[in-house]
Amino acid sequence: RKEVEQDPGPFNVPEGATVAFNCTYSNSASQSFFWYRQDCRKEPKLLMSVYSSGNEDGRFTAQLNRASQYISLLIRDSKLSDSATYLCVVNESFQKLVFGTGTRLLVSP
Amino acid sequence: GAGVSQSPSNKVTEKGKDVELRCDPISGHTALYWYRQRLGQGLEFLIYFQGNSAPDKSGLPSDRFSAERTGESVSTLTIQRTQQEDSAVYLCASSLGGLALYEQYFGPGTRLTVT
Repeated sequence: RKEVEQDPGPFNVPEGATVAFNCTYSNSASQSFFWYRQDCRKEPKLLMSVYSSGNEDGRFTAQLNRASQYISLLIRDSKLSDSATYLCVVNESFQKLVFGTGTRLLVSP
Repeated sequence: GAGVSQSPSNKVTEKGKDVELRCDPISGHTALYWYRQRLGQGLEFLIYFQGNSAPDKSGLPSDRFSAERTGESVSTLTIQRTQQEDSAVYLCASSLGGLALYEQYFGPGTRLTVT
């Protein structure tokens, strides 16, 4: 089983839609969780950290479910500029992060 | 301030040649990571440096790959006797500390093509 698993997509949604991605992780001892965004042929950039209580940043909401070992990302009112690959990231150890292969989102007019 | 920089941005080399890739981390960042990303694939961890501690080399795919870092500054990733399967984007990231809770800041990457 992969350490971090994501549906590769692509998720094709119209502007204004709400879309959600899930990610599962295998290491029950993981403590740090993140969503990174990667645009085509660009480097990954941190979108948001994921906290146990869940957190929201504008149109983006991240949730953590430790019992089921998954994290989610919800995007409301999708914009064309949200088109990117969203990487689920989990710590493997105190020092190392493991990146999922990403979920591709395409927002169309 | 300046972000993570990498050079060269693109490198085309012949199979069997050695290549050296460079990463300049953000000043003050003690942790530095190298990743490989093949076309359409996820990030593959290669090596991790934290301060003056021994590096974590667990992700290096073969003994043709090596990396060095002097203190908390520049790092170089060397690939000897390159093979076509080494073609990928090599990404460097740095973070404030060695704990996985710190955000990693990525450089733009070096696109390596082995012909």
